[in-house]
Amino acid sequence: DVVMTQSPLSLPVTLGQPASISCRSSQSLVSSDGNTYLNWFQQRPGQSPRRLIYKVSNRDSGVPDRFSGSGSGIDFTLKISRVEAEDVGVYYCMQGTYWPPWTFGQGTKVEIK
Amino acid sequence: EVQLVESGGGLVQPGGSLRLSCAASGFTFISYWMHWVRQAPGKGLVWVSHINSDGSSTTYADSVKGRFTISRDNAKNTLYLQMNSLRAEDTAVYYCVRNDWGGDYWGQGTLVTVSS
Repeated sequence: DVVMTQSPLSLPVTLGQPASISCRSSQSLVSSDGNTYLNWFQQRPGQSPRRLIYKVSNRDSGVPDRFSGSGSGIDFTLKISRVEAEDVGVYYCMQGTYWPPWTFGQGTKVEIK
Repeated sequence: EVQLVESGGGLVQPGGSLRLSCAASGFTFISYWMHWVRQAPGKGLVWVSHINSDGSSTTYADSVKGRFTISRDNAKNTLYLQMNSLRAEDTAVYYCVRNDWGGDYWGQGTLVTVSS
């Protein structure tokens, strides 16, 4: 199975400041169809996961434009341009290129300093 | 509005069985592959199983293979997960997930606790 490794696992941030989460896969996530199936999810405290980004850099409907995804091959990044209080939670990357199974990163906990 | 509502969780003894249901609404259920993903208390997300649109193809995580069965009733817009021979390590919140480029909608989850 493809192993997804996130860093950092804990990210204290100041309101209004940027934040960045890294996700590395154990092998290239470029599919035979040319797509890269790397998604990002947000899980706020006590809530279900919500997808933010699909196929590396495509924002889901209703996701604020302060969230952006980038990367290629094995290295991917989720950036929050200016952190707001509602962004507190755990963020997961997930690969869907080599499935089954979908595999997720360990999660990065974002909290306000 | 897309809605996925899970039910059927609860407390069960080791070796017991449960059937989870996921009622789907707000979209054409038969058009989508569906998945189950679980999350043990305080832990991360783990994929459990998938089923294709007409139910003819299924896959499972190694940890549940031979014990869990995924199915769907497209006439009732409902996804199921039959869980047999439950173990303490199956304790988790189970989420029903729609597959559109990988997990675009998730239900609120149903908690399964396996304990004597």
